[in-house]
Amino acid sequence: QAVLTQPSSLSASPGASASLTCTLRSGINVGTYRIYWYQQKPGSPPQYLLRYKADSDKHQGSGVPSRFSGSTDATANAGILLISGLQSEDEADYYCMIWHSNNWVFGGGTKLTVL
Amino acid sequence: EEQLVESGGGLVQPGGSLRLSCAASGFIFSSCDINWVRQAPGKGLEWISYISTSGRTIYYADSLKGRFTISRDDSKNSLFLQMSSLRAEDTAVYYCARVFDWNFDLWGRGTLVTVSS
Repeated sequence: QAVLTQPSSLSASPGASASLTCTLRSGINVGTYRIYWYQQKPGSPPQYLLRYKADSDKHQGSGVPSRFSGSTDATANAGILLISGLQSEDEADYYCMIWHSNNWVFGGGTKLTVL
Repeated sequence: EEQLVESGGGLVQPGGSLRLSCAASGFIFSSCDINWVRQAPGKGLEWISYISTSGRTIYYADSLKGRFTISRDDSKNSLFLQMSSLRAEDTAVYYCARVFDWNFDLWGRGTLVTVSS
């Protein structure tokens, strides 16, 4: 079982909100990890969006709009990237990442389509 | 302008070796931890290796099994990745990424490595 699991794709309409999940493997508690989120558009390197562990331990990337935010769902053992007020420019691949057992681990990524 | 520029990619035969470089500019390279991350064509991101300032601490992805070696030359503001025993599955774009407050806050545009006969 992968350490981090993300849905492969998600579609949402302009102006709506999109909730991208990053589920941690059983036995790895989301509450103990900082989850980092990256956005990647075709032909470009990833860009750091934000990190979230708790409301007391979060960070927004430089220049990243406030409509991008992080949270967690302890019941689902998942990190969440919430994008509100979707715009066409938000169409991209999104990756979560954690530091686990002396390794940086990426999720498989979610392709977000805005249509 | 802060910048990372990778080089050294290209076509290499299975079992061959290659050395990638990452040139930093616009910031104090010696004060930064750096990573290598790769992305196979059409696939997701895969972390490869991490090196701390002064090279004191180094980590590798468990999957590499000792085939890759990361190093740095602060006098040349450069990061390196020596790759050996290359396989088709090593075909990917290789990125270097700076660490700031545990975030990968600056990425290069990557260099493509193709392993094929």
